[in-house]
Amino acid sequence: QSALTQPASVSGSLGQSITISCTGTSNDVGGYNYVSWYQQYPGKAPKVIMHDVSHRPSGVSDRFSGSKSGNTASLTISGLQAEDEAHYHCMSYTSSSRRVFGGGTKLTVL
Amino acid sequence: QVQLQESGPGLVKPSGTLSLTCAVSGASMISTYWWSWVRQPPGKGLEWIGEVYHTESTNYNPSLKSRVTISLDKSNNLFSLKLNSVTAADTAVYYCARVPPFDPWGQGILVTVSS
Repeated sequence: QSALTQPASVSGSLGQSITISCTGTSNDVGGYNYVSWYQQYPGKAPKVIMHDVSHRPSGVSDRFSGSKSGNTASLTISGLQAEDEAHYHCMSYTSSSRRVFGGGTKLTVL
Repeated sequence: QVQLQESGPGLVKPSGTLSLTCAVSGASMISTYWWSWVRQPPGKGLEWIGEVYHTESTNYNPSLKSRVTISLDKSNNLFSLKLNSVTAADTAVYYCARVPPFDPWGQGILVTVSS
């Protein structure tokens, strides 16, 4: 199975909004509403910040939002803060009852 | 509060078998969740290895399936990963997690494959 496609890096200024894309196929992202997003700081385990495309776990800032269109899912972070600088990974369930991650995106806050 | 903790050798010789255990506390493994292993090579992204259900049903990443076994010990609330015929390419931080979604995660354990 091929990894989902994410941009290697994105950047944005404090207070701005950015969107990270996650592109798959009709066998994963496009076929199921089981896309989740994870935030990871250096040397730390990932933390879930979005699941089932657009559901935000308790305790996660409402500056984070998720969506999906066709085979592409997106994570939008509004009102960028310095603490948002991290790696972000998407994940999808697949038609073969498996799971696949994206390659990860490094977010830099300018 | 559910917590997961990986344990096992941090160094494995090439062609050997990588064996890790994940201890689960704060929850029963007999639930609607799967119990999964994920790895992350240094400086790279996350790779799903596979998962096990309390019925002992398993799903594996096709690229690793021939070398991986994931099993569980319900009586001791833990599950295990075995990866055989390892090479340097298997050097990574290995995480265990409850799914879906992947939450919570263990803290991760670095396993280096080297002679």
